[in-house]
Amino acid sequence: AQTVTQSQPEMSVQEAETVTLSCTYDTSESNYYLFWYKQPPSRQMILVIRQEAYKQQNATENRFSVNFQKAAKSFSLKISDSQLGDTAMYFCAFVYNQGGKLIFGQGTELSVKP
Amino acid sequence: GAVVSQHPSRVICKSGTSVKIECRSLDFQATTMFWYRQFPKKSLMLMATSNEGSKATYEQGVEKDKFLINHASLTLSTLTVTSAHPEDSSFYICSARVGGVGYEQYFGPGTRLTVT
Repeated sequence: AQTVTQSQPEMSVQEAETVTLSCTYDTSESNYYLFWYKQPPSRQMILVIRQEAYKQQNATENRFSVNFQKAAKSFSLKISDSQLGDTAMYFCAFVYNQGGKLIFGQGTELSVKP
Repeated sequence: GAVVSQHPSRVICKSGTSVKIECRSLDFQATTMFWYRQFPKKSLMLMATSNEGSKATYEQGVEKDKFLINHASLTLSTLTVTSAHPEDSSFYICSARVGGVGYEQYFGPGTRLTVT
């Protein structure tokens, strides 16, 4: 069975500082994709970043970057220069080729404090 | 970017009645659409996967006769909650995917259902 685990239910960070959200997953598949989604108070799910498992290079999107450790099955999200608008629930998600459906972690509620 | 709409955004219905929620991909054709349910401060729980023109695939534990899903076109999927009960009150979210499994799912803004 495929599982995604986010071990930090809540985190907080000061504005302009850096925070890292953890995510681990378990799979026996070799071809898969990993995502971080953000759900702000509006509850609209927004894609933050996407990583293909076959790519060794870590994905980056502006202030957001990942540390993808395939052997360790770890996929952490780093948010640099945190902004108040980053306050949201963050979900790590996984999909593999033969599955087709996103498997979500439990979520981490991030608060950015002024 | 790709936009997915849901209608209505909020609905209140009486116990025993049915309610329909629409999910539309506004500027792309979705090969696959998904329906999720989310409880407060919890993760998304997949209810079913639907492909245009074929029957939906329901997750284990989801009653297909209670949650009817119709994917009539490449831009429209509907979820009908039949004979609603207060325990069906929840936040329902749809998503749409344009390509294969590695492609992004675009999410609708969600529908808050309250059954009185």
